[in-house]
Amino acid sequence: QKEVEQDPGPLSVPEGAIVSLNCTYSNSAFQYFMWYRQYSRKGPELLMYTYSSGNKEDGRFTAQVDKSSKYISLFIRDSQPSDSATYLCAMSAHDKGYSSASKIIFGSGTRLSIRP
Amino acid sequence: DVKVTQSSRYLVKRTGEKVFLECVQDMDHENMFWYRQDPGLGLRLIYFSYDVKMKEKGDIPEGYSVSREKKERFSLILESASTNQTSMYLCASSYGRTRLTYEQYFGPGTRLTVT
Repeated sequence: QKEVEQDPGPLSVPEGAIVSLNCTYSNSAFQYFMWYRQYSRKGPELLMYTYSSGNKEDGRFTAQVDKSSKYISLFIRDSQPSDSATYLCAMSAHDKGYSSASKIIFGSGTRLSIRP
Repeated sequence: DVKVTQSSRYLVKRTGEKVFLECVQDMDHENMFWYRQDPGLGLRLIYFSYDVKMKEKGDIPEGYSVSREKKERFSLILESASTNQTSMYLCASSYGRTRLTYEQYFGPGTRLTVT
């Protein structure tokens, strides 16, 4: 079983829809939860991060973490064609320094397409 | 603005060739990483380095080596390229031991095809 599972999609929704992207994980030591966005022919870039459980909002984007269920979500409100990209969830157990214990584990990514 | 650059966007090599992929970052980051990205498998860590001349194996180091002689530069070497190393290779960097390391800055990637 992979440490992080993510539905690869593709997911296609009309412009203006609410999008829900999800990941599940198995390692209860994870404390940092990130969402990266990757446009075609580009490297991933950090979109949002959350520490431990709870919600975090940034404009049209909301990240949600439920540690009891080992489940994280990214919601996109009023989706735009410019949101079309691959979204990767990522997780880390450690916050300082970089070691094997703190490495970031990435999901395989969900390809999202917003239809005009 | 952080910039991570990779030496080539596209590369075609023959089986058995020695391949060098170079990565340069301009933010004085301590940590640098090499990943490969394959459909359905996501990003898999090959090697990382947290200091000059320091390196640690990631999840899939077999068939690869790395070199970090200068802080800003991290090279990935395929000693004898094989067709199963055809992939997208992504370099990333991040701040070091005294800062939060959840944010990695990625280069645009090198799509390597081995024939």
